[in-house]
Amino acid sequence: DTEVTQTPKHLVMGMTNKKSLKCEQHMGHRAMYWYKQKAKKPPELMFVYSYEKLSINESVPSRFSPECPNSSLLNLHLHALQPEDSALYLCASSQPTSSYNEQFFGPGTRLTVL
Amino acid sequence: SQQGEEDPQALSIQEGENATMNCSYKTSINNLQWYRQNSGRGLVHLILIRSNEREKHSGRLRVTLDTSKKSSSLLITASRAADTASYFCANAGYQKVTFGTGTKLQVIP
Repeated sequence: DTEVTQTPKHLVMGMTNKKSLKCEQHMGHRAMYWYKQKAKKPPELMFVYSYEKLSINESVPSRFSPECPNSSLLNLHLHALQPEDSALYLCASSQPTSSYNEQFFGPGTRLTVL
Repeated sequence: SQQGEEDPQALSIQEGENATMNCSYKTSINNLQWYRQNSGRGLVHLILIRSNEREKHSGRLRVTLDTSKKSSSLLITASRAADTASYFCANAGYQKVTFGTGTKLQVIP
């Protein structure tokens, strides 16, 4: 199985809502990533988990809270978001021991904050 | 900024023609990857060229790397309508990948 799955595909939320994005992979990868992508822009790294521990936080606002419950799952908890947080949120995974770092991406969650 | 710059930003060609995209970084290049993204979807890894390689082929893809100029190019030969997508170069280091700005390719049938 070489697939990374993400749920939901689309999410619309108000600024006072709490929601979560989910990501799952069964490739045995021990590194997982969250990216944010605005329209016509490249993906921007948000968080990296390596062996279920947070290893990189790219100065992301605390209204985004990542969680890695086990080696196959990655969540992104959302609270009190702003309209400018509307974007495509991409999850990816890779082998953390590889310096070549080929990443496998999920299809993304399209988030709209009203 | 560590982000790579790609040109052209957009490219429109006829089916069967070749498409060339260029990528450059201000920082040193580790291992350079190319990804493809269909509209609003996830990225798909196309090819990796290591820092000690100068050229690599995979099917209709040809990638070159010039570490002294901190630049890379992707050539897609005999393009097809299905090649229509955005293409991103990515400078890959340990645990971190820094993407270029992307080239949007349209292949007209």
